[in-house]
Amino acid sequence: EVQLVETGGGLVQPGNSLKLSCATSGFTFSTAWMNWIRQTPGKRLEWLAQIEDKSNNYFISYLESVKGRFTISRDDSKSSVYLQMNNLKEEDTAIYYCTRADPMGYVMDAWGQGASVTVSS
Amino acid sequence: DIQMTQSPASLSASLEEIVTITCQASQDIGNWLAWYQQKPGKSPQLLIYGATSLADGVPSRFSGSRSGTQYSLKISRLQVEDIGIYYCQQASSAPLTFGSGTKLEIK
Repeated sequence: EVQLVETGGGLVQPGNSLKLSCATSGFTFSTAWMNWIRQTPGKRLEWLAQIEDKSNNYFISYLESVKGRFTISRDDSKSSVYLQMNNLKEEDTAIYYCTRADPMGYVMDAWGQGASVTVSS
Repeated sequence: DIQMTQSPASLSASLEEIVTITCQASQDIGNWLAWYQQKPGKSPQLLIYGATSLADGVPSRFSGSRSGTQYSLKISRLQVEDIGIYYCQQASSAPLTFGSGTKLEIK
């Protein structure tokens, strides 16, 4: 069974940092393209970042509005993907989902349960 | 960036009724379109990919179609378990973008 489990969410003050982790199992993580997607309180879904696999040199792409503040990374030895979020703003308040992309690269065929991040003073 | 315009924002329909949700892409994305279903309190799940192909385990009452840059999701006979929010997503190029969602309720 494919599983993705996000951890690391919580309440953080504006300007602070937070690192989300996503532990996976049930599939060959090393060849998977992994993503982070967030859902705002208004239920809007926003793709944030994708990291490809080793055969694609771990190529990374970001949503322009988070580039420079957010960093996606992976550890194939731990079947895990991470999202480092710096200089957090109130508008970053959302549920953050770790997702796996299908072999074509851009369809999310597996989602985690989500991690809640609240940015507030 | 490719914009996805989804309608309606909300929809109330009776059981066994036919329901249609549409998404308009701001430019040609071919068949690179996916639909997701989010049941209350759950994470989104893949419903349809490639505009018309059903994901594993999805009931056959769901179908997807395309006409140019307009995409449709049809539920042929609405069931109670179909309530939730539906999203389209263009899978053509980064940044990946989603429609604003359609909240489906039972009348």
